[in-house]
Amino acid sequence: GAGVSQSPSNKVTEKGKDVELRCDPISGHTALYWYRQSLGQGLEFLIYFQGNSAPDKSGLPSDRFSAERTGGSVSTLTIQRTQQEDSAVYLCASSLQRGVSYEQYFGPGTRLTVT
Amino acid sequence: RKEVEQDPGPFNVPEGATVAFNCTYSNSASQSFFWYRQDCRKEPKLLMSVYSSGNEDGRFTAQLNRASQYISLLIRDSKLSDSATYLCVVRSNFGNEKLTFGTGTRLTIIP
Repeated sequence: GAGVSQSPSNKVTEKGKDVELRCDPISGHTALYWYRQSLGQGLEFLIYFQGNSAPDKSGLPSDRFSAERTGGSVSTLTIQRTQQEDSAVYLCASSLQRGVSYEQYFGPGTRLTVT
Repeated sequence: RKEVEQDPGPFNVPEGATVAFNCTYSNSASQSFFWYRQDCRKEPKLLMSVYSSGNEDGRFTAQLNRASQYISLLIRDSKLSDSATYLCVVRSNFGNEKLTFGTGTRLTIIP
């Protein structure tokens, strides 16, 4: 079946502009995660949605970052007033969260470059 | 101290050799453990979960040592296609579904 999809695959933006990144999780997966990965670095957790519960926003680096998940499916990560240090690959993952299965399936990511 | 620590490598290993990676975690309450694989400029993919009793999947063996708080991955008869970055991943608490990723160990298999 279809995996996690993300759009756009690449985004180049000027410093100070706002950007929106989209994630379509695997159908039926109740949990959705956003991470970012800077060049040569590990994955940094940003935010986690689980069903109708309040999201875990503990990883968002500043108030310029926000995310929403509409209808329990598609999610949008918004970065306002982008800075050069926001340049990274933004990865979305979804998970079934059933029983002891917590495997996260990742999308291909959005490569964001802030000039 | 980082929550999950790995030797970044790189490990350059001849084809057919056996290679082992270790990973340490700081939270003794951690509940679930995984190895993910990430190819260059690709997304991470689950390689295997790590169970307390240890588990094997073909050429790959994962071990968990709760007393010493480390996880290991052993790759036997390494193939060129095993070249990738291997990420150690830990889920800390019941009810908290956030996974914490190590920075990864880079492996290159040499022909």
